[in-house]
Amino acid sequence: NAGVMQNPRHLVRRRGQEARLRCSPMKGHSHVYWYRQLPEEGLKFMVYLQKENIIDESGMPKERFSAEFPKEGPSILRIQQVVRGDSAAYFCASSKQLNQPQHFGDGTRLSIL
Amino acid sequence: KNEVEQSPQNLTAQEGEFITINCSYSVGISALHWLQQHPGGGIVSLFMLSSGKKKHGRLIATINIQEKHSSLHITASHPRDSAVYICAASGNDYGGSEKLVFGKGTKLTVNP
Repeated sequence: NAGVMQNPRHLVRRRGQEARLRCSPMKGHSHVYWYRQLPEEGLKFMVYLQKENIIDESGMPKERFSAEFPKEGPSILRIQQVVRGDSAAYFCASSKQLNQPQHFGDGTRLSIL
Repeated sequence: KNEVEQSPQNLTAQEGEFITINCSYSVGISALHWLQQHPGGGIVSLFMLSSGKKKHGRLIATINIQEKHSSLHITASHPRDSAVYICAASGNDYGGSEKLVFGKGTKLTVNP
């Protein structure tokens, strides 16, 4: 039973480009969470989704960031017009139901040149 | 002020020592989580607890709801336990959703 799969592991973008980060939850998990870890800082919540619905996006920056979790396929975190400050590790986690442990992927390290 | 506070920030121990990492939170929660982040960056969920005590191998997690405090203990520590240990809270007063609010982590180094 594969764990949470994130790709790519490393992503390099130039300022102004778009970054797309993918997350496939564990089999049978319908709850997906995205977290960001800035260099030398702790993890911060970004967004919580269930299939086709955004449940809580209180941690998402108001501009340039969006997330989706379509009926078919992985969850996508999309960052438009990236800036140097977007450089961070982005982690995805999934859970089967509410009040269940969250299982984390290995993260995507985003570097902005 | 972070809503989830951990101590110590850094901890160095000798192999075999008993380790304790503390976590306190300021508002009501539905669950308290302990996570381990390896030097390579991956994150593993160790425990999720809402009351009492849980044990897995050499790891023990306890929580005191009245005092809003949790501890992670490692018995007979080993160099492979070297990692960052992160406490996180979810639910109730933390926005009422399943999102995790994290402490800043405790970097543990166990020397041979």
